[in-house]
Amino acid sequence: NAGVTQTPKFQVLKTGQSMTLQCAQDMNHNSMYWYRQDPGMGLRLIYYSASEGTTDKGEVPNGYNVSRLNKREFSLRLESAAPSQTSVYFCASSERWDYEQYFGPGTRLTVT
Amino acid sequence: GQQLNQSPQSMFIQEGEDVSMNCTSSSIFNTWLWYKQDPGEGPVLLIALYKAGELTSNGRLTAQFGITRKDSFLNISASIPSDVGIYFCAGSLTGTASKLTFGTGTRLQVTL
Repeated sequence: NAGVTQTPKFQVLKTGQSMTLQCAQDMNHNSMYWYRQDPGMGLRLIYYSASEGTTDKGEVPNGYNVSRLNKREFSLRLESAAPSQTSVYFCASSERWDYEQYFGPGTRLTVT
Repeated sequence: GQQLNQSPQSMFIQEGEDVSMNCTSSSIFNTWLWYKQDPGEGPVLLIALYKAGELTSNGRLTAQFGITRKDSFLNISASIPSDVGIYFCAGSLTGTASKLTFGTGTRLQVTL
């Protein structure tokens, strides 16, 4: 049982490049989330999907888009990467939107 | 965005000592969660609390949901080297769309 998986684990982008971060969960959870973690800032919610077919903005959505591809998969896209998006990105899932969230191992992104 | 205040920010303790940390908020929450994050990994859920006044244990860890619903406490008894990491609290208010608010973390280091 893998839980929440994320790819890639590391990525370096140049300013202006685009990329998609992938996330998948095998726990049959309804809700999925994307967070970014910066030093001294804790975890901040970028976007979430309360259930398949719905997505909503979190605290820091600017510069990102998401797709809930199916119940298992939730991707995060950076259309034009900026140095301010250098961060560690975590995907999480929960059975329902108000239940405990379980996190993936993270993607470490550097934008130069 | 709102963040929870965690204290202390960091602590050095000796193996075998007990540890206490807390988390406070200006808002009330229905749910308090405690996570631990090891270097290079995603946060791992330790304890979930759902009721004001609730006291819940997980091995050497004990957490409490404050009566005011604005705070929570985590205690670790008889610390061991593998307790090293960053401990995050998180709170949510059921009925608002799916938001976990995270604390900035308490970094714990255990010396032999």
